[in-house]
Amino acid sequence: EVQLVESGGGLVKPGGSLRLSCAASGFTFGSYSVNWVRQAPGKGLEWVSSIRSSSRYTFYADSVKGRFTISRDNAKNSLYLQMNSLRAEDTAVYYCARGPDPDYWGQGTLVTVSS
Amino acid sequence: QAGLTQPPSVSKGLRQTATLTCTGNSNNVGNQGAAWLQQHQGHPPKLLSYRNNNRPSGISERFSASRSGNTASLTITGLQPEDEADYYCSAWDSSLSAHVFGTGTKVTVL
Repeated sequence: EVQLVESGGGLVKPGGSLRLSCAASGFTFGSYSVNWVRQAPGKGLEWVSSIRSSSRYTFYADSVKGRFTISRDNAKNSLYLQMNSLRAEDTAVYYCARGPDPDYWGQGTLVTVSS
Repeated sequence: QAGLTQPPSVSKGLRQTATLTCTGNSNNVGNQGAAWLQQHQGHPPKLLSYRNNNRPSGISERFSASRSGNTASLTITGLQPEDEADYYCSAWDSSLSAHVFGTGTKVTVL
């Protein structure tokens, strides 16, 4: 069974940093691109970042470019999102999701940026 | 990055048919098609249709997707109470090198 489990969310002050993790199981993690997608309270889905299977290519939404860094460790079946210079508007549930469509999603981890 | 355009809401009666639309451009929907996702309140999204209009295993045949030019459509036949949810389309934009989501459509079953 494909599973994606996010962790690392929490309350952080504006300007602070947080590192999210996503543990994958039930499939060959290294064969798939993976994504971070967020959803602010009461709002729609917003793509944040994607990374190809080999890590060679990474992509970012304009709203996070220069502040967030996506990475992966295929040996550990894990995806990461390093978030720096956090702003109030980054407050959202962050999901990791598999593949280009994407077809499998984790349950999400809540990030709250507030003083 | 601009998103894909969806109507905010659609309301139909029980067992009726609802057709949702998603409008993009030649760099996203018109290029590789759009996937469709269903999200119930408080839950993560669930894929209903891949960009090639195929259904994942376990998804009801009542959900069918299609595309004409830069507009993708999701048709839900025989509406059921459990179909009340938010629906999003999703595509890769080759010009922006970015993933784009639709604005979302809330489906209400009367």
